[in-house]
Amino acid sequence: GEDVEQSLFLSVREGDSSVINCTYTDSSSTYLYWYKQEPGAGLQLLTYIFSNMDMKQDQRLTVLLNKKDKHLSLRIADTQTGDSAIYFCAAPYNQGGKLIFGQGTELSVKP
Amino acid sequence: DSGVTQTPKHLITATGQRVTLRCSPRSGDLSVYWYQQSLDQGLQFLIHYYNGEERAKGNILERFSAQQFPDLHSELNLSSLELGDSALYFCASSVAGPRGPYGYTFGSGTRLTVV
Repeated sequence: GEDVEQSLFLSVREGDSSVINCTYTDSSSTYLYWYKQEPGAGLQLLTYIFSNMDMKQDQRLTVLLNKKDKHLSLRIADTQTGDSAIYFCAAPYNQGGKLIFGQGTELSVKP
Repeated sequence: DSGVTQTPKHLITATGQRVTLRCSPRSGDLSVYWYQQSLDQGLQFLIHYYNGEERAKGNILERFSAQQFPDLHSELNLSSLELGDSALYFCASSVAGPRGPYGYTFGSGTRLTVV
C-alpha cells in the first residue's frame, strides 16, 4: 500500500549538518517533496526533486534520491536554530491523485 | 501569506455538534485537498477536489463531507463531532495534481477543539 516513512526526531548542534531520511513505496512517483512546518503554522514547500535526478542542491539544502531503494534524504548544511521545525517528506500516490506525507521529523537545533 | 485562505483559524465546539471549515485556494489553482493533522495520526489525506469534482478520497469518515463550489472555494463539513476529531485541518491547493515542481500550497489551518 501507500506509505512514506521517516524517523521522528533528530537533534543536532548549531553549525553541524542535519540529515533527515525518508522511504516511500510508490515507484511511480514523479516528483518528491520536502516540506517544513514551524510551530503553529502550515506546511511550507522547502524543495523538491524530480524522480530522474539523483541529487539536487539549493543553497544549504541538498536532496539525495536513491530510486532503486526508494530512499530520499534532506541534508541541511550549517544548521541554525531557525531551522528547528518539523520536516515532512511527501510523495504523490496513485498517479498524482494525492500527496502522501511521512510522519514528520522534528529537528531540534541546540546552540 | 501563501495565498490559500482558511477560516476560521480556531474553532471550539461541543461533542455532537456540526461545523464547517472553509478554504479559498490560491488564485488559478483548480485542485483543493483537505488534510487532518493530529498528534497520533500525523498528516492524513482526507479528500481531493478538482474543478468542482471529487477526485480522490482518503481516510475520511462518513460523518465528514466536503464540496468544491463553482468559484473553487471548498468547504469541509464535520458532523456528530467526537473528542477524537480535535485536530488541525489543513487545506492545500495546486494548479492540477502534484505532478509539477511546485507540489501543494498549504493554508495555515483550522484548529478544531471538541470539548
